[in-house]
Amino acid sequence: KNQVEQSPQSLIILEGKNCTLQCNYTVSPFSNLRWYKQDTGRGPVSLTIMTFSENTKSNGRYTATLDADTKQSSLHITASQLSDSASYICVVILTSGTYKYIFGTGTRLKVLA
Amino acid sequence: KAGVTQTPRYLIKTRGQQVTLSCSPISGHRSVSWYQQTPGQGLQFLFEYFSETQRNKGNFPGRFSGRQFSNSRSEMNVSTLELGDSALYLCASSLGGSGQETQYFGPGTRLLVL
Repeated sequence: KNQVEQSPQSLIILEGKNCTLQCNYTVSPFSNLRWYKQDTGRGPVSLTIMTFSENTKSNGRYTATLDADTKQSSLHITASQLSDSASYICVVILTSGTYKYIFGTGTRLKVLA
Repeated sequence: KAGVTQTPRYLIKTRGQQVTLSCSPISGHRSVSWYQQTPGQGLQFLFEYFSETQRNKGNFPGRFSGRQFSNSRSEMNVSTLELGDSALYLCASSLGGSGQETQYFGPGTRLLVL
C-alpha cells in the first residue's frame, strides 16, 4: 500500500470549471507537504509547500489545504484553463534524522475546450 | 537566471552498458537531488548531494551512484544497465537542501535500455 495515495487517478473537466484533487497519506511525522505540476515531457514545478501546522496555501488559481488530523490534503483548481492539463503530484517530506521524499503516483488532469 | 539543465536529453543504451548523466543546478544552488520516474513506480528519490557530499540516499542498488563537483554540478552513473532502468531521470536543485526549500527540476534525461 502506498504511503501517499492520490485520487482520482485521472480526471477530465471542461475549461472554466473548478476541480479538487485529493492526497491521503499515512506517513508521519512530516516536515512539509508539497504539490507539484508536471507537464508532459517536463520536470515537475512546485505549486505549494505547506508545513504540518498550515491549513491552506494559495498560488494563483491553485489552493492547497491540509488536514493533519485526517491526514488529507487537497489541491483545488479554480476556473481551469487548457494549460492546467498536466499531472499533479503530492509529496510528503519526512524528517527524522535526514529528510525523505515520499511521492504520490499523481493525478492526470485533462482540461477540454 | 538560467534554470536547471540536464544532458543528454535522450539516451539509448543496451543491457550491461553503463551510462553517465549530467546536471547543472541553478547558479548559487548547492544541493542537487536525483530522481527516477517510471509509469509504474512514479517518482522515486535516488540521492542528494550537498557541497560535494552525498547527504541522503534512497533505496536503489549500488549500481546507481553519483557525485558532485566543487561548482555544484552533479553526475549520476548507472552501471550494468538493466531493462528496468528505462526511465526519466530528473535532477532538482535548491539553495541548501534543507527539505523545506523549493526544489527546481530540470527537464530530465530519458533513458531507454534495450
